Amino acid sequence: GIQVEQSPPDLILQEGANSTLRCNFSDSVNNLQWFHQNPWGQLINLFYIPSGTKQNGRLSATTVATERYSLLYISSSQTTDSGVYFCAVERFTGTASKLTFGTGTRLQVTL
Amino acid sequence: DADVTQTPRNRITKTGKRIMLECSQTKGHDRMYWYRQDPGLGLRLIYYSFDVKDINKGEISDGYSVSRQAQAKFSLSLESAIPNQTALYFCATSDPGGPGELFFGEGSRLTVL
Repeated sequence: GIQVEQSPPDLILQEGANSTLRCNFSDSVNNLQWFHQNPWGQLINLFYIPSGTKQNGRLSATTVATERYSLLYISSSQTTDSGVYFCAVERFTGTASKLTFGTGTRLQVTL
Repeated sequence: DADVTQTPRNRITKTGKRIMLECSQTKGHDRMYWYRQDPGLGLRLIYYSFDVKDINKGEISDGYSVSRQAQAKFSLSLESAIPNQTALYFCATSDPGGPGELFFGEGSRLTVL
């Protein structure tokens, strides 16, 4: 199956700083999503981005499908950005389809 | 109200007990999934269902069973719970006509003593 690696595993930022999270995957994919898991455990969709670039407020994501990586940018970080960020990918096989998750980047934003 | 609702949100039980986690959704999606999350391991797929008559095993289905009672309902059962099934369980849905975007419930935290 597809392997998904995220880096860094842990990140501590001071409020206001910018950061880049990376997701590498081992095969071509048809689906790539970024999720944020808040400290209460809720998983929130951030981006559906199998290729290209998207922006949503202070967050943006870029996927370079040909080079098998995706980047999540967080600008002007806030304490509410704390939590774990997961990348998940999927390669359609014509029948079953399901996402494979990376192990996440744990982000802590401090005052 | 959440589009994907899980019950119970928290449950503590003893080894050998039967447990059912329930999931209902109002998104109208045909596809439903059960994932398990363990610390440091991300999420792993237990079972998935692409419609009411379709049930498929995921990567870690041993010790679990599921039932798709209706398009909107998908339940996960642990017939005889064991301590290493202590985890955070998530239900999710996706729209087969869409790009494959996954939408999660709020999670059910299960502790098996």
